[in-house]
Amino acid sequence: AQRVTQPEKLLSVFKGAPVELKCNYSYSGSPELFWYVQYSRQRLQLLLRHISRESIKGFTADLNKGETSFHLKKPFAQEEDSAMYYCALQGAQKLVFGQGTRLTINP
Amino acid sequence: GAGVSQSPSNKVTEKGKDVELRCDPISGHTALYWYRQSLGQGLEFLIYFQGNSAPDKSGLPSDRFSAERTGGSVSTLTIQRTQQEDSAVYLCASSWDRPKIAYEQYFGPGTRLTVT
Repeated sequence: AQRVTQPEKLLSVFKGAPVELKCNYSYSGSPELFWYVQYSRQRLQLLLRHISRESIKGFTADLNKGETSFHLKKPFAQEEDSAMYYCALQGAQKLVFGQGTRLTINP
Repeated sequence: GAGVSQSPSNKVTEKGKDVELRCDPISGHTALYWYRQSLGQGLEFLIYFQGNSAPDKSGLPSDRFSAERTGGSVSTLTIQRTQQEDSAVYLCASSWDRPKIAYEQYFGPGTRLTVT
């Protein structure tokens, strides 16, 4: 079975502090993992995917197959990072999403 | 170019009525997906279209829910005899589609359905 778990529904950090949004997955095959973000009054959009191994808006995420994790990290949070973040796993054709973490960056 | 569009943006309906939600995918995208976003439930997969066929409709919550896609483009999600628990934001997404390749999904703005 495919499952994505984001243990934190809410996360609040101060501007300039490091951010880590946790994501764990369960999947029997070779996973394709993504982070999607939804800013206030905007549509859901792709932030990054593990296969490209790139940094977007200062965020990075490393796939750890041993721990079945794909945590999203940023060393210095900015106020514009406040949004809803979803970790997602692509198995077969559909995306399976976690419950999401609402990140709030305090000034 | 134009992104994924959905209509209506908001729909308020009485319990027991039928509703139709429409999705216009990005031109050329062969894959189309419907998801439901509920408070406290996150994003829930409903159905996936490859062209006009639906190889995965495993997420449809009951037989009151159905969807079709015509001409490899527009899709309609129909909810019959709506219930209050159907209240949610219904999201549509589209992408390219090739075997064993996970393409980025592009999401529409959603339709907020409220069943009173």
